[in-house]
Amino acid sequence: DAKTTQPPSMDCAEGRAANLPCNHSTISGNEYVYWYRQIHSQGPQYIIHGLKNNETNEMASLIITEDRKSSTLILPHATLRDTAVYYCIVKQGANNLFFGTGTRLTVIP
Amino acid sequence: GAVVSQHPSWVICKSGTSVKIECRSLDFQATTMFWYRQFPKQSLMLMATSNEGSKATYEQGVEKDKFLINHASLTLSTLTVTSAHPEDSSFYICSARVGQGDGTQYFGPGTRLLVL
Repeated sequence: DAKTTQPPSMDCAEGRAANLPCNHSTISGNEYVYWYRQIHSQGPQYIIHGLKNNETNEMASLIITEDRKSSTLILPHATLRDTAVYYCIVKQGANNLFFGTGTRLTVIP
Repeated sequence: GAVVSQHPSWVICKSGTSVKIECRSLDFQATTMFWYRQFPKQSLMLMATSNEGSKATYEQGVEKDKFLINHASLTLSTLTVTSAHPEDSSFYICSARVGQGDGTQYFGPGTRLLVL
């Protein structure tokens, strides 16, 4: 599976959109981009995933560039409860999820 | 939907004892479940892949005789830490995959193990 690169930390003001970037320049055509988050002392929570097209659900939006070498997770209106470590993972088919170091998002009141 | 539970949520035991952790998929059947371990300030590390009705597949460096995995049904996988030692103290997290192949994985809340 392709490796991903994320900034180690980000801050976001409460109520504003949080845009979390992820680079996956070696992604192959059949690899999906998954996003999970882990709030302190809890198991990871699935957020969203996509292959080529942009995706949106009740939690977030996923924007994947046309060349698929990077993506952005958007939390439209960040709240204090969105403070967590966000993991961007590229996965092919039935392969396992391997977690990198993620981005620690801090939502500031 | 797609809820995964773990029991217990935390456990304290004496060195040398064995500890069993249960992972259940509550509203779906999971042919494949996964066990991860997370040390403080580190990311999740995959320990093993558990397949219903067959032997688990362990990642390199994980002792299969120390971390016994049983996946006897489509909704339950167990991890037994045998002869636990203080260095086994960690946060153990399971996940279950929905459907076959490239289905999404959902994670349990984790079990914090402290070995004295």
